[in-house]
Amino acid sequence: AQSVAQPEDQVNVAEGNPLTVKCTYSVSGNPYLFWYVQYPNRGLQFLLKYITGDNLVKGSYGFEAEFNKSQTSFHLKKPSALVSDSALYFCAVRALAGRRALTFGSGTRLQVQP
Amino acid sequence: NAGVTQTPKFRVLKTGQSMTLLCAQDMNHEYMYWYRQDPGMGLRLIHYSVGEGTTAKGEVPDGYNVSRLKKQNFLLGLESAAPSQTSVYFCASSYASGTATSYEQYFGPGTRLTVT
Repeated sequence: AQSVAQPEDQVNVAEGNPLTVKCTYSVSGNPYLFWYVQYPNRGLQFLLKYITGDNLVKGSYGFEAEFNKSQTSFHLKKPSALVSDSALYFCAVRALAGRRALTFGSGTRLQVQP
Repeated sequence: NAGVTQTPKFRVLKTGQSMTLLCAQDMNHEYMYWYRQDPGMGLRLIHYSVGEGTTAKGEVPDGYNVSRLKKQNFLLGLESAAPSQTSVYFCASSYASGTATSYEQYFGPGTRLTVT
């Protein structure tokens, strides 16, 4: 069975500072990895994905994520945080074979202070 | 292009009542999904569909039924609601083919259900 762990319930960072939201995964075979963001009372919005290729993937709103196969991690990063980045972030994994549904982590709340 | 829409947005049910949540997508996606979101637990898959007329169970299917009579619609039914089904329900859809744009799921705005 596949699983995703987001070890931090909340991450606090000051505006302008770099941010990292951590994610580790467990899956048989090679994974498809995703990050989604959820603003209050809204659905999930796709940020970025890793399918294959470069380990550093770039996504929406200046976010990027680094795929590390040996550490089974897919941490979300941004060089300079904005107050408007404050939201709930979900990491998700999908195995290449089998059903198409995503397995989500429990979510990390990012709070960016002005 | 409305994407994925869900109705209703909010609903309060009494224990034992039934209801149906409707999800509609206009992107011609083959795959559709129903998730529930509970605090601290992320999203968990209830049921999914890989095409019109087909459905399958996800991680937490008990107490729910689904139907996909038309490609663009995916219905989630609660036959006898229980307080444990108080949650936010999200519908999502995706393409089936193995292209670079596939497997991304597009989410609806959610339905907040309270069962008293």
